[in-house]
Amino acid sequence: QSVLTQPPSVSGAPGQRVTISCTGSSSNIGARFDVHWYQQLPGTAPKLLIYGNTNRPSGVPDRFSGSKSDTSASLAITGLQAEDEADYYCQSYDSSLSGWVFGGGTKLTVL
Amino acid sequence: EVQVVESGGGLVQPGGSLRLSCAASGFTFSSYWMSWVRQAPGKGLEWVANIKKDGSEKNYVDSVKGRFTISRDNTKNSLTLQMNNLRVEDTAVYYCGRTYGPGPRYHYYYMDVWGKGTSVTVSS
Repeated sequence: QSVLTQPPSVSGAPGQRVTISCTGSSSNIGARFDVHWYQQLPGTAPKLLIYGNTNRPSGVPDRFSGSKSDTSASLAITGLQAEDEADYYCQSYDSSLSGWVFGGGTKLTVL
Repeated sequence: EVQVVESGGGLVQPGGSLRLSCAASGFTFSSYWMSWVRQAPGKGLEWVANIKKDGSEKNYVDSVKGRFTISRDNTKNSLTLQMNNLRVEDTAVYYCGRTYGPGPRYHYYYMDVWGKGTSVTVSS
């Protein structure tokens, strides 16, 4: 069981919008620690997608956006494309565990 | 080009040891925290350890405390993970990553540069 809870899978048709949730608790997201998101394409290393809850690194399309509220965060992908098919992970810090924690990951399927 | 490259993975028996290395290039290594994250076969990501810019602070996930040691050599732009008393559950791909974020504490940090990983298999 991951400290941060993500849905195992989400899907959407090309062009659609999907969201991936990341639910935590008062010792991580609720404690105002930042949430970061990573994209892992099949067979490759993870790549930073969103940092500091809402910020995109250079080169990441603005189709990807992040938000955070209370004890949860969300990643939204608009204008879904076939190349977005990947696993997505959220990451934060947990004060009870005194370390970084990751969500269990969400597999995005583009129909 | 900013990059990190891991090496040193392999097959080891339970109770054995392995030393992973990470070579950094394209950035000022001594200006960044560094981290190790692992991914067991078919599973998600798990943070393993990180180390401050000057090596004065090291943090570990509970499951590896007392068995793994993270270290760095800023003169050689290299990061190391010494893994002792390995267990079957340590089997994973280990990723090295440049770690960055606001403020002096790693609580708000993230990995902005990832290597391709090195595979560790612990099996008899």
